[in-house]
Amino acid sequence: ILNVEQSPQSLHVQEGDSTNFTCSFPSSNFYALHWYRWETAKSPEALFVMTLNGDEKKKGRISATLNTKEGYSYLYIKGSQPEDSATYLCAPRGDSSYKLIFGSGTRLLVRP
Amino acid sequence: EAQVTQNPRYLITVTGKKLTVTCSQNMNHEYMSWYRQDPGLGLRQIYYSMNVEVTDKGDVPEGYKVSRKEKRNFPLILESPSPNQTSLYFCASSPSFSGGYTFGSGTRLTVV
Repeated sequence: ILNVEQSPQSLHVQEGDSTNFTCSFPSSNFYALHWYRWETAKSPEALFVMTLNGDEKKKGRISATLNTKEGYSYLYIKGSQPEDSATYLCAPRGDSSYKLIFGSGTRLLVRP
Repeated sequence: EAQVTQNPRYLITVTGKKLTVTCSQNMNHEYMSWYRQDPGLGLRQIYYSMNVEVTDKGDVPEGYKVSRKEKRNFPLILESPSPNQTSLYFCASSPSFSGGYTFGSGTRLTVV
């Protein structure tokens, strides 16, 4: 897995808005897809690890879906809050490798 | 508390002076990895280790060395640091092939 793309690069929303962003990756040799949340001045924190096509995971107001056949994952945030402001990273993992390739992230800013 | 501990948090050094950044985890994780983060480039893997005495190169291993003599420790060694190694470094560990990563708090290194 060589090429991971995340879009948009940055996103500004108003408090209460729902939002979503995309992670695209090559569908061949896929094993798992990780999502991380990275707040400024902190370290990345794991949100989800998804492996199966059609997987949906949820954690509070944040959820994610996975399509391994077409090579994309969506992350959704319902009713965004200022504390959701962070960079959201996706990282696919290929077949038998422990190696994660990180995308450059989507930077979310939620205005009060 | 389950954590990955990196030291030091901040380091300013001069070109050519050998240094070691330590990383230790208390979760009995098999897998450990080092990443560097540079503006506009995202997280790039330097080295990783799948278990004691098993290490392998990531995407940007030049100028770095690692060792994994014990399960809990995975130090990053810069034998002769250069200014292009000025970066933010993260150590991370994972319990298994399917587990999410736990990241350390980061080391900001400046080489002058």
